[in-house]
Formats: sequence, structure tokens, C-alpha cells
Amino acid sequence: QQQVKQSPQSLIVQKGGISIINCAYENTAFDYFPWYQQFPGKGPALLIAIRPDVSEKKEGRFTISFNKSAKQFSLHIMDSQPGDSATYFCAASRGSNTGKLIFGQGTTLQVKP
Amino acid sequence: GAGVSQSPSNKVTEKGKDVELRCDPISGHTALYWYRQSLGQGLEFLIYFQGNSAPDKSGLPSDRFSAERTGGSVSTLTIQRTQQEDSAVYLCASRPIQGPSSYEQYFGPGTRLTVT
Repeated sequence: QQQVKQSPQSLIVQKGGISIINCAYENTAFDYFPWYQQFPGKGPALLIAIRPDVSEKKEGRFTISFNKSAKQFSLHIMDSQPGDSATYFCAASRGSNTGKLIFGQGTTLQVKP
Repeated sequence: GAGVSQSPSNKVTEKGKDVELRCDPISGHTALYWYRQSLGQGLEFLIYFQGNSAPDKSGLPSDRFSAERTGGSVSTLTIQRTQQEDSAVYLCASRPIQGPSSYEQYFGPGTRLTVT
């Protein structure tokens, strides 16, 4: 019940296209859903996050869509750029509790110029 | 301001030796986490510290792993009698607990541990 499942494992998108990464969770006690971006040799960087009281959050080219009833959330990267090429991790936590993050398996995104 | 810092950035050790990894959290962040990132297991939680509360050690994989946090700031993760399966990147994260960003965790660059 603690798992977060992420798909796809890898994704190739043309410059200017939309990248979509999906995650599903089981534990309905989770109340915080962040996305992290990680470049090789670096630590994960917080990209955008959502709480279950809203269905969508947008920050620049990055949007999280959240479906509470389906227990799914997704990251959309609009107008994808080669600089977006990285590994993306979704995560979930009970921020109101310890806040320890349960991560998805990661998606390697390659944006072709 | 300064982010989470970790040292060393890389550590190569022989099987059976003990290692200590250090984390300096963001100033004012009262919660501190250790995670491990490995090819086979992905990103997994190890331990959590918050103020003077007892740490949540539920993610530590064996009793060879321990961690402490001194003065509510710097933390040290110790691995005794290292094994080859301990090879991974060890990541530290901190979060503020209060305020509008109270759920947000910020990660350090990690320590890459290689056990030969």
C-alpha cells in the first residue's frame, strides 16, 4: 500500500512537444504529491507539487493533474526543451505526518532538438 | 540562501570498513531525512529526524546503519562493516515544517559510496 507506480520508464519527445509522465498510488492517507527533476550527478530538485484539495497546478511549462478518485497524478511538460532532458520522479507522502517520501521508479526523458 | 550540503561527494571504501557521511541541512529546517538511491532499488527512505523527537528509523536496511543529528542541525549517517550492496548514492534532504513551504523537501547533491 506504500507503493507509487510511475510510467513510462523512458520517454523521447521532440522539441516543442508535450511530455506526459503518470503516477499511481494506493495509500489514501497521502496528502502531498511532489515531482522532482534530477540531472546526472546531481541531487533531485523539487519541480512542482500538489495537495489533494486541488485537481491541477501549473507553474510555467509544468502542470500537475491530480485525480483523487482514481488515485493518479501526472506531470505535463509543455513546449519541451532539450534542457528538460533529465530523470523525473514522482513521489507521495503524508506531509502532515513524518513526510517521508515514497518515490516512483523514475522516468528518463530525452527531448530531441 | 545556501542549500543542503553533503560531504564527501564521493567515497570509496573497502568491504568491511566503516564510513561516515555528513549532511548540513538548510538553516532553519527542523526536519532532516536520509534517502538512498541505487540502480536496483530506486530512491528509498532511510531515516527521519524532527526536533527532539525520536527519529523514524523504519527505513534503515540493517543494524549496520545508524544516524545521529547533533544540536538539531548537522547529521551523520554511519555504515559499519560496509558490504558491496551498500554501494549507492546517499541523499540528505531537509524541510522547514512550518510556513507555506512546510511540506517541501530540498535535497543535497548526495554522497556516492562505492564499496570495493
